[in-house]
Amino acid sequence: DTEVTQTPKHLVMGMTNKKSLKCEQHMGHRAMYWYKQKAKKPPELMFVYSYEKLSINESVPSRFSPECPNSSLLNLHLHALQPEDSALYLCASSRDPGSRGELFFGEGSRLTVL
Amino acid sequence: GESVGLHLPTLSVQEGDNSIINCAYSNSASDYFIWYKQESGKGPQFIIDIRSNMDKRQGQRVTVLLNKTVKHLSLQIAATQPGDSAVYFCAEWYSSASKIIFGSGTRLSIRP
Repeated sequence: DTEVTQTPKHLVMGMTNKKSLKCEQHMGHRAMYWYKQKAKKPPELMFVYSYEKLSINESVPSRFSPECPNSSLLNLHLHALQPEDSALYLCASSRDPGSRGELFFGEGSRLTVL
Repeated sequence: GESVGLHLPTLSVQEGDNSIINCAYSNSASDYFIWYKQESGKGPQFIIDIRSNMDKRQGQRVTVLLNKTVKHLSLQIAATQPGDSAVYFCAEWYSSASKIIFGSGTRLSIRP
């Protein structure tokens, strides 16, 4: 199994809603990542979890809250988002934090904030 | 083409020809340089990487060249096929920070 699975594929939410994005991998990878991608732009790093602990937060606003319940799961909790937060949110994993850049990406969750 | 505003640089190649996609980088502290391919509706897919102390690495139908003097990275795809149509991103790996930062993308389109 070499897949990273993200749910939901599409999400529409209002600015007062609370929702979560979920990511799962069963490759035994010990590093997991959240990236945000706007149209026609490269993915931007948001968070990195190494061995289930948050190791990098790229100054992401607190309305985005990551969680890593176990080594296979990664969540991104969303609250009080703004329309400019509409984007494709990509989850990725790597064998370990020092895996030289070989990330395995999911297909993303496309978020629209109204 | 040139990158203007929201437009991705685009490279149009005849099927069967070789493609060369270029990337300029600014940070000399990168330990590895990586190429990713992103097809429409999918997440990026790892293609090949090169360590910063190398200048060339070959894979299956792909070759990456690194010129540290001018901070330039290129991806060469031999005998381009329709399945190669995608956006290609260069990326840098910083071992000191254990993170990967993506650079700008290039859209590769294939003419039949």
